[in-house]
Amino acid sequence: NAGVTQTPKFQVLKTGQSMTLQCAQDMNHNSMYWYRQDPGMGLRLIYYSASEGTTDKGEVPNGYNVSRLNKREFSLRLESAAPSQTSVYFCASSERDGVEAFFGQGTRLTVV
Amino acid sequence: GENVEQHPSTLSVQEGDSAVIKCTYSDSASNYFPWYKQELGKGPQLIIDIRSNVGEKKDQRIAVTLNKTAKHFSLHITETQPEDSAVYFCAAPQGNKLTFGGGTRVLVKP
Repeated sequence: NAGVTQTPKFQVLKTGQSMTLQCAQDMNHNSMYWYRQDPGMGLRLIYYSASEGTTDKGEVPNGYNVSRLNKREFSLRLESAAPSQTSVYFCASSERDGVEAFFGQGTRLTVV
Repeated sequence: GENVEQHPSTLSVQEGDSAVIKCTYSDSASNYFPWYKQELGKGPQLIIDIRSNVGEKKDQRIAVTLNKTAKHFSLHITETQPEDSAVYFCAAPQGNKLTFGGGTRVLVKP
């Protein structure tokens, strides 16, 4: 049972490049989330999907887009990366409403 | 929206002593309060949670207490061990999502 799997684990981008972070869960959870974690800071919500077919903005959505591809997969896209998007990105899933949320291992992204 | 404040931001304890981390929340409708532990280079891991219908929950050396009237909840770690060194986060729900506190870096000195 893998839980929440994120790919890639590490990525370096040049300013202006685009990329998609992938997330998949095998727990049949309804809700999925993308958070970013900056050094010395807590977890800030970028986007979430309460159920398949729905997505909503979180606290810091600017510069990002998401796609809930199916119940298992929730991707995060950076259309034009900026140095301010250098961060560690975590995907999470839960049955509902953030209850007993499981996190992936994170994607460490550096934008130069 | 929900606002979660966590204190202290850093906590250094001697091995064997107890550690206490406190969080306050703003939304009186919140009814679920989890605590996460994050080790270096890893994702946060749920270690204990409490629902609003109970005041305390224990799991071996960790416990969480909840005071709904005052809108605060606390994590208690007893008999701390070096492997308890990590960053701990509290969280509270806001609709369909969780809002996290700023985190507490706990260092257990041998």
